[in-house]
Amino acid sequence: KNEVEQSPQNLTAQEGEFITINCSYSVGISALHWLQQHPGGGIVSLFMLSSGKKKHGRLIATINIQEKHSSLHITASHPRDSAVYICAVWGGATNKLIFGTGTLLAVQP
Amino acid sequence: NAGVTQTPKFQVLKTGQSMTLQCAQDMNHEYMSWYRQDPGMGLRLIHYSVGAGITDQGEVPNGYNVSRSTTEDFPLRLLSAAPSQTSVYFCATSGGLSYNEQFFGPGTRLTVL
Repeated sequence: KNEVEQSPQNLTAQEGEFITINCSYSVGISALHWLQQHPGGGIVSLFMLSSGKKKHGRLIATINIQEKHSSLHITASHPRDSAVYICAVWGGATNKLIFGTGTLLAVQP
Repeated sequence: NAGVTQTPKFQVLKTGQSMTLQCAQDMNHEYMSWYRQDPGMGLRLIHYSVGAGITDQGEVPNGYNVSRSTTEDFPLRLLSAAPSQTSVYFCATSGGLSYNEQFFGPGTRLTVL
């Protein structure tokens, strides 16, 4: 079983819909990252969390440390949000990030 | 500031050839790492460095060497390329461990024939 699991693996939405992507992890962590990768493109950092909730524009990320779970929400989705969203955690006892396999989001106009 | 740069963007090698993937950063970050990305799998750590002169192995180090003689540069060497090393390679940096934003280079797409 992977240490970081994301769901769903694939998601298709209509423009304007509210989107939720989930991330569950099985290791103790010191931080959780949400990343975005556009098709054929590089990877950019969206959020870094150790507790609570963060908001940037239409994106909201939450984390529940006790339940070992994080969610990424996109409000009023737009076709330009189409990308792969990747969850990654810093294992508490290691010097490295552990990545989920990503969620491929397609937002249709 | 250029951020994190990687060269080349694309490379085709024949089995057995060697080459170096370059990674450079101008953010004075101590932590640098190399990942490979394969379809259906998450990014996997190859090697990482917590500062000049210090490197360590990640999850999939076999067939790769690294060195870190300066803060800015972290080259990844393929010693004898194999088709299993066909992948997209990303270099990443951060100001430290754990609670630090990650900055990724644009990637190198490598094909080994």
